[in-house]
Amino acid sequence: EDQVTQSPEALRLQEGESSSLNCSYTVSGLRGLFWYRQDPGKGPEFLFTLYSAGEEKEKERLKATLTKKESFLHITAPKPEDSATYLCAVRETSGSRLTFGEGTQLTVNP
Amino acid sequence: DTGVSQNPRHKITKRGQNVTFRCDPISEHNRLYWYRQTLGQGPEFLTYFQNEAQLEKSRLLSDRFSAERPKGSFSTLEIQRTEQGDSAMYLCASSLKVSSYNEQFFGPGTRLTVL
Repeated sequence: EDQVTQSPEALRLQEGESSSLNCSYTVSGLRGLFWYRQDPGKGPEFLFTLYSAGEEKEKERLKATLTKKESFLHITAPKPEDSATYLCAVRETSGSRLTFGEGTQLTVNP
Repeated sequence: DTGVSQNPRHKITKRGQNVTFRCDPISEHNRLYWYRQTLGQGPEFLTYFQNEAQLEKSRLLSDRFSAERPKGSFSTLEIQRTEQGDSAMYLCASSLKVSSYNEQFFGPGTRLTVL
């Protein structure tokens, strides 16, 4: 069964203090690893898809990387508006469902 | 707005009542998914459709839950004889089946509270 573990559960940063979120996964065959952002009371907002080890994608202050066992979401010089829960999910080769981790709740203080 | 829409946004019901939620996917998307999310957890897969065919159902989807997508466009999720444990956010997502790409785009969710 697919498993996704995210760490830390919660992270508090000062504005401008860069850091990384971790997503470790176990899947029989990876078809894609997805990062989403979720604000309170809203649905997840799609950020990135990564398909193979070594792949990297960037969007504004966010950069996602992928290895064979884990993915990192690097946040460079975060701003308060980056505060949200960041969710990681995997899709295996044999299906279409996404299996999500529990998320990392990020708070960026001004 | 061309995103996924869900109605109602909030539903409060009493235990034992039936509820129905609606999801309208992004117009050209042929795949539609239902997930359930409880506080502090990531979304959990319930079921998905490709056009009007329901292709996969989770073990989480008890026989009190039924989903339809009659014409391959909008979908409904019905919960019969609701229980307090059904209280959650019900999320709908849609995607376009194109080779290996299957990014799922989520709607705002329906928050269900069972009293």
